[in-house]
Amino acid sequence: GAGVSQSPSNKVTEKGKDVELRCDPISGHTALYWYRQSLGQGLEFLIYFQGNSAPDKSGLPSDRFSAERTGGSVSTLTIQRTQQEDSAVYLCASSLRGQETQYFGPGTRLLVL
Amino acid sequence: GIQVEQSPPDLILQEGANSTLRCNFSDSVNNLQWFHQNPWGQLINLFYIPSGTKQNGRLSATTVATERYSLLYISSSQTTDSGVYFCAVEGGGSNYKLTFGKGTLLTVNP
Repeated sequence: GAGVSQSPSNKVTEKGKDVELRCDPISGHTALYWYRQSLGQGLEFLIYFQGNSAPDKSGLPSDRFSAERTGGSVSTLTIQRTQQEDSAVYLCASSLRGQETQYFGPGTRLLVL
Repeated sequence: GIQVEQSPPDLILQEGANSTLRCNFSDSVNNLQWFHQNPWGQLINLFYIPSGTKQNGRLSATTVATERYSLLYISSSQTTDSGVYFCAVEGGGSNYKLTFGKGTLLTVNP
């Protein structure tokens, strides 16, 4: 079946603009995660959604970052007033119930000029 | 939080050679996964292995949870094995978020 998909694949934006990144998890997976991969910080957790529970936002680096998950499926990560240090690859993953194998999408490469 | 250390950081092999990659972690874990990140950046699942031994073709992995380490074995390496190998764990009080090591960059030369 289809894996995790993300869009756009690449995004170039100017400092100060807002961006939205989209993730479609594997069908039937109730858990969804966002991670970020940057040269300086490696791979780091951002946010976790599980079913209808309140998300764990403990990894979000600032209040400019927010995420939502509509209908228990598609998720959108929004970065407001982007800064150059936001440049990174944003990865989405999903798993069946939250304590099993996490499957990753191809990522969105964000470059803030 | 939980700490994850991978070694070696870099490894260069000739095609056909075998290798062992190591992952040490600082606390008990609920989940441990090995990933291969290909040159296009895609993270490919290799193993879900919080304990025990698993094999998949030329790859195998062993996790000794009581001693807080995991090993990834690559036999008869091929150029397509090149890339970064990550170990990631769920633990230290978290039931879901993965903490990643810094990875091992493997280069397999023809």
